[in-house]
Amino acid sequence: KQEVTQIPAALSVPEGENLVLNCSFTDSAIYNLQWFRQDPGKGLTSLLLIQSSQREQTSGRLNASLDKSSGRSTLYIAASQPGDSATYLCAVSPLTGTASKLTFGTGTRLQVTL
Amino acid sequence: NAGVTQTPKFHILKIGQSMTLQCTQDMNHNYMYWYRQDPGMGLKLIYYSVGAGITDKGEVPNGYNVSRSTTEDFPLRLELAAPSQTSVYFCASAENYGYTFGSGTRLTVV
Repeated sequence: KQEVTQIPAALSVPEGENLVLNCSFTDSAIYNLQWFRQDPGKGLTSLLLIQSSQREQTSGRLNASLDKSSGRSTLYIAASQPGDSATYLCAVSPLTGTASKLTFGTGTRLQVTL
Repeated sequence: NAGVTQTPKFHILKIGQSMTLQCTQDMNHNYMYWYRQDPGMGLKLIYYSVGAGITDKGEVPNGYNVSRSTTEDFPLRLELAAPSQTSVYFCASAENYGYTFGSGTRLTVV
């Protein structure tokens, strides 16, 4: 059974700092990995999707990397802003079966302070 | 463009009662999902559907039922509600791994 872990569970940084969020998964037979953002009282918004054949994806100040063999992904946020405060979740899709069934991590709650 | 609409946003249910959480999407996506999120936990898949008339169990299906009579609608039915079903429920739709989530239903069973 796939297990997805995110460390740390919570993180507080001052505005302007660069930061890294970590995601690890136990079964490397994945189709892709996604990073989502969740704001309080709202649904999830997809940030980045990395196919299993890719090493990284970038969108603006966000960069996600994937090392499938070691079961790890990182989300790098450059020059953090208070608007980045949210919970960030990673999720993996399995290689076999219904590929779109996601297994989620428990999330990292990020607070960017002024 | 409404995306995925969930109703109600909040609800308090008594133990043993039943209710249906509604989910509608307007993007013509074939794939739809129901997840629950407990405090401090990730989302767990309850049921999913790959198209109208086709549904299947996820990781935590006990105590729930679904139907998918149209592409747009994917209601989740709770029968004989229990306190363990207190959670936030999210509906999502997807096409080519592009997911759209609803804003959630916060359900409390007392």
